[in-house]
Amino acid sequence: GEDVEQSLFLSVREGDSSVINCTYTDSSSTYLYWYKQEPGAGLQLLTYIFSNMDMKQDQRLTVLLNKKDKHLSLRIADTQTGDSAIYFCAESIAMGYQKVTFGTGTKLQVIP
Amino acid sequence: EAGVTQSPTHLIKTRGQQATLRCSPISGHTSVYWYQQALGLGLQFLLWYDEGEERNRGNFPPRFSGRQFPNYSSELNVNALELEDSALYLCASSLVAGGEPTNEKLFFGSGTQLSVL
Repeated sequence: GEDVEQSLFLSVREGDSSVINCTYTDSSSTYLYWYKQEPGAGLQLLTYIFSNMDMKQDQRLTVLLNKKDKHLSLRIADTQTGDSAIYFCAESIAMGYQKVTFGTGTKLQVIP
Repeated sequence: EAGVTQSPTHLIKTRGQQATLRCSPISGHTSVYWYQQALGLGLQFLLWYDEGEERNRGNFPPRFSGRQFPNYSSELNVNALELEDSALYLCASSLVAGGEPTNEKLFFGSGTQLSVL
């Protein structure tokens, strides 16, 4: 079945860039997502990319997709303390949220 | 506009008991999804309800069941609780049932933390 893997923890200094990495196994993945979960809150969709794209930029966020290696990354420029959260990578091969497979989440700690 | 609300925030049960978790979707959303977030694991899809019907379920035993009411709110029931059922249970809602995920965002609640002792 589908599998999405992430490292569990990342620590960066305020103002530096953060890069959160994710690998997935299903080569049929069509949609790839990044979600953010702040303490005590539900998940928020941050950004997404279609599998026919290599890169997507949205303000401080840059998503890079290497489809050959099945590798997805999220770069946060000028990381702020408010970016401290758990970031989930997710993928789906078909329409419908019941088909989305989430990773384990990467906890980003931003040190002032 | 109110977001997805879940209750209770925390629930403590003992093995063998039953737990009932509740979710109210965003007004106008007809689809409700339940996910389990266990420690060290990603979100695991549990159940999807739309227009009062169960549309799909994940790889969970029949002890996990639920329903959706006419007002689109939903209940998740877990019978014969086991220790490994301890997890954060997240409910999410969307407007488009089974449609292209990026056309309509999935909105999550804050979850119910279930602890089984």
